[in-house]
Amino acid sequence: DAGVIQSPRHEVTEMGQEVTLRCKPISGHNSLFWYRQTMMRGLELLIYFNNNVPIDDSGMPEDRFSAKMPNASFSTLKIQPSEPRDSAVYFCASSSSYGAGGGYEQYFGPGTRLTVT
Amino acid sequence: QQQVKQSPQSLIVQKGGISIINCAYENTAFDYFPWYQQFPGKGPALLIAIRPDVSEKKEGRFTISFNKSAKQFSLHIMDSQPGDSATYFCAASIHTSGTYKYIFGTGTRLKVLA
Repeated sequence: DAGVIQSPRHEVTEMGQEVTLRCKPISGHNSLFWYRQTMMRGLELLIYFNNNVPIDDSGMPEDRFSAKMPNASFSTLKIQPSEPRDSAVYFCASSSSYGAGGGYEQYFGPGTRLTVT
Repeated sequence: QQQVKQSPQSLIVQKGGISIINCAYENTAFDYFPWYQQFPGKGPALLIAIRPDVSEKKEGRFTISFNKSAKQFSLHIMDSQPGDSATYFCAASIHTSGTYKYIFGTGTRLKVLA
């Protein structure tokens, strides 16, 4: 079974440009999480969805960040306009409320390394 | 109260030694405590996890010790190997709106010397 899929794996863009990161959760999982990882701040939870509905976006740093989950198999994280301080690795993770694990285990994708120059 | 404090920030251990990483939390509503392992360029991967009704869980060379009264838990890696060199994150999970949200510690970079 395929794991969490993220694209692109690397993104280099100029300040002011729009950036869209994509995530396909594990099939059957109903919760999806977006994280940002930096050396200074570690792993930060940005936003999470349950059954495609955004539950808590209090971790989104600014209005420049937005996330959508139009269906159970796809989510996007958009930054518009991007700034150099947005440079980080962005991870998507998914979990299932219905399996034997009971919704506790989160499975991470490989991440998207974003560099804003 | 939502924080999870992790120490040390970095750790160097000789091959065959024991690696110990500690975490502490405040919120008693946390009900699941996983440890994740991350290699450079990869996403974090679940290593081992424990529920608060258990004081210890062992899987191979990896053991979680959990002290509910002290609100602390730790990861012990026995017979540490160079292949264990990675960053380790503890986390605490809380149930919210139909799912479980993680609060991660700041990570420990482990280096095992050959």
